[in-house]
Amino acid sequence: EIVLTQSPGTLSLSPGERATLSCRASQSVSSSYLAWYQKKPGQAPRLIVSGASSRATGIPDRFSGSGSGTDFTLTITRLEPEDFAVYYCQQYASSPPRWTFGQGTKVEIK
Amino acid sequence: VQLVQSGAEVKAPGASVKVSCKTSSYTFIDYYIHWVRQAPGQGLEWLGRIHPSSGGTNYAQILHGRVTMTRDTANNTAYMELSSLRLDDTAVYYCARDGGWTTTWNGFDYWGQGTLVTVSS
Repeated sequence: EIVLTQSPGTLSLSPGERATLSCRASQSVSSSYLAWYQKKPGQAPRLIVSGASSRATGIPDRFSGSGSGTDFTLTITRLEPEDFAVYYCQQYASSPPRWTFGQGTKVEIK
Repeated sequence: VQLVQSGAEVKAPGASVKVSCKTSSYTFIDYYIHWVRQAPGQGLEWLGRIHPSSGGTNYAQILHGRVTMTRDTANNTAYMELSSLRLDDTAVYYCARDGGWTTTWNGFDYWGQGTLVTVSS
């Protein structure tokens, strides 16, 4: 069973600062199946990045994803007020097909 | 693309609940539908998926056979039924479209608004 561990649990930053979120897998995963989502209270999750580094439609270029193997990163270069939220990474495993989310990183206003 | 879910439910322990997810503005049978839940104060948990064309399903083992996912292709709607409800099934349940593949996997690209299921005695 692959476990995704996100760090830090909480990131306290000011608008305009850079956020670096980590997602570490307990064993190597396919980059093609690594995604990041943004979750705000009372709203559905929103896809930010898929395939480890491809921004979803309509996502501003201040968001970028990178990584391979067991280590993946979501970077927000200049935090805007609307970026403060919880971010989840997600991966797929086969045999049987299943998806796993990390426990989330909360990006909060400092 | 829209996914619109049914309304909030309150159920007793041991009962069943069926949540619907009505889709529009895309070809329903071409994309998997997944179900994900978020319990209060917790993270996201994948529950399973259905392929609307074949009806084929895959379920998360954590649900121990209590979940059934179905679809109505005439009405472009997917359903998730959870039986033998327990207090810890209280959560917001989401349906999400699997965006499939282009040059890479496209993630869960569209989501329903969520359905709160409360299990309470």
